[in-house]
Amino acid sequence: DAKTTQPPSMDCAEGRAANLPCNHSTISGNEYVYWYRQIHSQGPQYIIHGLKNNETNEMASLIITEDRKSSTLILPHATLRDTAVYYCIVMRSGGGADGLTFGKGTHLIIQP
Amino acid sequence: GAVVSQHPSRVICKSGTSVKIECRSLDFQATTMFWYRQFPKQSLMLMATSNEGSKATYEQGVEKDKFLINHASLTLSTLTVTSAHPEDSSFYICSALGRRNEQFFGPGTRLTVL
Repeated sequence: DAKTTQPPSMDCAEGRAANLPCNHSTISGNEYVYWYRQIHSQGPQYIIHGLKNNETNEMASLIITEDRKSSTLILPHATLRDTAVYYCIVMRSGGGADGLTFGKGTHLIIQP
Repeated sequence: GAVVSQHPSRVICKSGTSVKIECRSLDFQATTMFWYRQFPKQSLMLMATSNEGSKATYEQGVEKDKFLINHASLTLSTLTVTSAHPEDSSFYICSALGRRNEQFFGPGTRLTVL
């Protein structure tokens, strides 16, 4: 599976949009981009995933560049409860059956 | 989304004892479950893949005789830490594989070995 690079930490003001970047320059054609987050002392929570089209659900939006070498997770109206470590994981279709490889993620801190 | 539970949420035990952690998928059947371990300020690391009715597959460096995994039904996998030592103290998290290959994680079990 392709490797990802994320900034170690980010701050965002409450109520503003939080934009979390992820670089995955070695992604291959059949690999998806998944985002999970982990709130302190809890299990990870699935957020969203996509292949090449932008995706949106009730939690977030995922913007993938045309060359698929990077993506951005957008939390449109961040709240204090969104403070967590966010993990960007690249995985081939069906690769979830192999277990997930977590990097260091981005520690997002929402400021009041 | 699908719900996965773990029991207990927190356990403290003496060195040399064994501890069993349960992972249940509450509203769906999971032929595959995973066990992860997370040390303080580190990321999750996959320990093993548990398949219903067959032997678990362990990641390199994880001792299968120390971390016993049983997946006897489509909704339950157990992890037993045998002869636990202080260095086994960690946050143990399970996940269950959904129909679309997404993983649903349990809330985790905090193990402290004295």
